[in-house]
Amino acid sequence: GAVVSQHPSWVICKSGTSVKIECRSLDFQATTMFWYRQFPKQSLMLMATSNEGSKATYEQGVEKDKFLINHASLTLSTLTVTSAHPEDSSFYICSASGVRLWANVLTFGAGSRLTVL
Amino acid sequence: DAKTTQPPSMDCAEGRAANLPCNHSTISGNEYVYWYRQIHSQGPQYIIHGLKNNETNEMASLIITEDRKSSTLILPHATLRDTAVYYCIVTGGSQGNLIFGKGTKLSVKP
Repeated sequence: GAVVSQHPSWVICKSGTSVKIECRSLDFQATTMFWYRQFPKQSLMLMATSNEGSKATYEQGVEKDKFLINHASLTLSTLTVTSAHPEDSSFYICSASGVRLWANVLTFGAGSRLTVL
Repeated sequence: DAKTTQPPSMDCAEGRAANLPCNHSTISGNEYVYWYRQIHSQGPQYIIHGLKNNETNEMASLIITEDRKSSTLILPHATLRDTAVYYCIVTGGSQGNLIFGKGTKLSVKP
C-alpha cells in the first residue's frame, strides 16, 4: 500500500532557528501533498497544499514567509519553519495524494513533533 | 463541503461492535463520506469511504442512510488498538484537501 515517510519524528530547537521537515512518498508519485498542524487536544488544521513544481497554496491565516514549502519532486515535499518561536510548537503532519489513487484517500505521514524552547 | 456532526466520545467493550454515527444533513449529490482515524500521536489513517451504497472492507463497514443525511461506521469486533479519534468527513472536492472536524474519541475497554 501507499506509504508516506516523514522526518524527523520529533525535533527540539531554540527560538529563532529554522527547522526543516521532510515528507516523502515511498511507493507512489504524489502529485499533491498537504501540510497540517495539530495543537494538543485539537483537530488537524490544514496549513497548505503543495503541487509538484508550483508554488504552495496557503490557507487563510498561515504565513507563507514563515512556513516555507517546497515540492520539488513527485516524491518529496519539505516544510521549513523559519525563525521558530515557542508558539510554533506543534505536531506537523503531511499527507499525499497520488495520480492513481482517489484524490481524497490520503496517506498521512506519522507526524513531526516540534518543540521550540 | 458539507458540515458533519459526531458525538465527542463513545465507549465500547472489547470484542463488541463499535457503531460510530455521523450526521451530514446538508450533504450534496456529488459529495462522498470519508472516515479516517487518528491513534494518539500518529498521523490519521484512512478507513473507508462511500457515496450512497453501503461499503465494507477489511477494517470496517460504512452504512449510509437512503437519504444520505447520516452514516454509521461499524467496527465489527473492536479491539484495544481501535482506541482512537474517528473523523467523518464529507467532501466532493477533487483536491484532497480534507477539512477535519473534532471527531469522536472512541475508547475500547477490556
